[in-house]
Amino acid sequence: DTAVSQTPKYLVTQMGNDKSIKCEQNLGHDTMYWYKQDSKKFLKIMFSYNNKELIINETVPNRFSPKSPDKAHLNLHINSLELGDSAVYFCASSPGQPNSYEQYFGPGTRLTVT
Amino acid sequence: GENVEQHPSTLSVQEGDSAVIKCTYSDSASNYFPWYKQELGKRPQLIIDIRSNVGEKKDQRIAVTLNKTAKHFSLHITETQPEDSAVYFCAAWGDSSYKLIFGSGTRLLVRP
Repeated sequence: DTAVSQTPKYLVTQMGNDKSIKCEQNLGHDTMYWYKQDSKKFLKIMFSYNNKELIINETVPNRFSPKSPDKAHLNLHINSLELGDSAVYFCASSPGQPNSYEQYFGPGTRLTVT
Repeated sequence: GENVEQHPSTLSVQEGDSAVIKCTYSDSASNYFPWYKQELGKRPQLIIDIRSNVGEKKDQRIAVTLNKTAKHFSLHITETQPEDSAVYFCAAWGDSSYKLIFGSGTRLLVRP
């Protein structure tokens, strides 16, 4: 009964490859997010979707493309991976209601680019 | 742009002592201030939050205070235990930006 799940948990790949990370939430939330946590533990928002529509797109390289097939899923595809993309990527969801901003994080995907 | 500053970056306390972590935010429209705890290799988890219409909130050994005028908010942990050791993040939600801005984190070590 995992609330927010991500796959894979670990991803090791070479520079130049293309990879995807999948996220699913079973909480019925309207809003989903992708965060990047670098080696210094900084948590930074990358994208936010509300009911399958992109509402936040931070200054993220075009190599990163989120896709939301439905409001329970938000995937992240990364093209032409670079060394600097190595980080932990967290998916999160929130009800998106005016009175409920709490974000529920997935377990994270540790991406290592060699 | 919006910014949340968090201090200290590391904090070491003796078991049983109190720990205080402070944050300052820049967006006057911020109205929701959560605190997350992240244990090593785990996901961030919400431990307490406060809204802008409240000055203080307490949950057992954890309390959060908010000073909207000064744009400061703080996390207080009393009677610390070794299992409190983790990285703690403050964050601020701005109605103008529709996103959480996180502080840089505080690594808390509770020495037995």
